[in-house]
Amino acid sequence: KNEVEQSPQNLTAQEGEFITINCSYSVGISALHWLQQHPGGGIVSLFMLSSGKKKHGRLIATINIQEKHSSLHITASHPRDSAVYICAVPRGYGGATNKLIFGTGTLLAVQP
Amino acid sequence: ETGVTQSPTHLIKTRGQQVTLRCSSQSGHNTVSWYQQALGQGPQFIFQYYREEENGRGNFPPRFSGLQFPNYSSELNVNALELDDSALYLCASSAPGQGLYGYTFGSGTRLTVV
Repeated sequence: KNEVEQSPQNLTAQEGEFITINCSYSVGISALHWLQQHPGGGIVSLFMLSSGKKKHGRLIATINIQEKHSSLHITASHPRDSAVYICAVPRGYGGATNKLIFGTGTLLAVQP
Repeated sequence: ETGVTQSPTHLIKTRGQQVTLRCSSQSGHNTVSWYQQALGQGPQFIFQYYREEENGRGNFPPRFSGLQFPNYSSELNVNALELDDSALYLCASSAPGQGLYGYTFGSGTRLTVV
């Protein structure tokens, strides 16, 4: 079983729909990372959160540390939101930066 | 625009060959991590370099090796390429004290082994 599980793996939505992507993890963490990856590979950081909720434009991320669960919501979805959304958690490895353990990603396609 | 630059963007190599992938980090980012992302999978940690020394390694064989240089650039070397090495290779860097909050990813190098 992966330490980080995402659902759904694939999601197709119509433009304007409210979208939820879920992430569950089995390890103790201090923070969780939501990332966006477009075709071609580049990864962009969306959110880092350790508690509660964060909002940036139409994106909202929530986390419940006790339940080891986080969600990424997209309001009023748009075709340009089509991408792979990945959650990642840090695992201590010494040094200045922890390594990240990634979920397998959720492939979102928003149709006009 | 990302502060981490990877080269080349795409590469095709033959099984058994050797390859060097390069990553140029932002000034001051003395920690760099390399990840392998197979098609349809999440990135997997290869190793991390901190102040030019390997600082942690994932479940990858010794034919995966790296270097980090004082100018905040780094390399990932893979010897004796295998077909399964075909993947997107990502580097990510951060500055001291920033931890995850300063984690910046490059756009990756897509390696195809034929």
